[in-house]
Amino acid sequence: AQSVAQPEDQVNVAEGNPLTVKCTYSVSGNPYLFWYVQYPNRGLQFLLKYITGDNLVKGSYGFEAEFNKSQTSFHLKKPSALVSDSALYFCAVRDLTGNQFYFGTGTSLTVIP
Amino acid sequence: GAGVSQTPSNKVTEKGKYVELRCDPISGHTALYWYRQSLGQGPEFLIYFQGTGAADDSGLPNDRFFAVRPEGSVSTLKIQRTERGDSAVYLCASSIVAGGIYEQFFGPGTRLTVL
Repeated sequence: AQSVAQPEDQVNVAEGNPLTVKCTYSVSGNPYLFWYVQYPNRGLQFLLKYITGDNLVKGSYGFEAEFNKSQTSFHLKKPSALVSDSALYFCAVRDLTGNQFYFGTGTSLTVIP
Repeated sequence: GAGVSQTPSNKVTEKGKYVELRCDPISGHTALYWYRQSLGQGPEFLIYFQGTGAADDSGLPNDRFFAVRPEGSVSTLKIQRTERGDSAVYLCASSIVAGGIYEQFFGPGTRLTVL
């Protein structure tokens, strides 16, 4: 069975500090991994994805994520947080043969001015 | 360019009523997905279409839920005999093709409230 875990419901970080939002996954075989962000009353917006190759993936708005196969993790990172980064973040996984996404329960990020 | 649109944005109905939720995908996207997002949860897969046919409807919770995509573009999610537990945000997404490396583009959702 495929699944995603986001162990932190809430992450608070001061503006200008680095941020990390954690994600671990479980799939049979190699995964495709995605991060989405959801602002209030808005749809999910694609941030970045890992397909293959370099374990460090760069995406929109200065975000990046590191794929770690041995730890089955795909943590989202940003070197310097902005207040406007405050939102709900979802990690999603899909295996190579599947079509649907399996989403985590989301992490609410608050960047404190 | 135009993204995925969903109508209505909000729908309030009474228990036992029938509702239809509409999704307009991005033009040219052949794959269309429906998800349901309950409060405090991530989106849960319901059904997806590749073209006109439902390629995978394994996520539909029961036979009160049905979706169609007759011309391979617009899709309608239909819920019969609504129950209070159906209250959630229903999300639609589309992608160029199903699966593989392609990300899904999501609409803003329809918030369904069953009284």
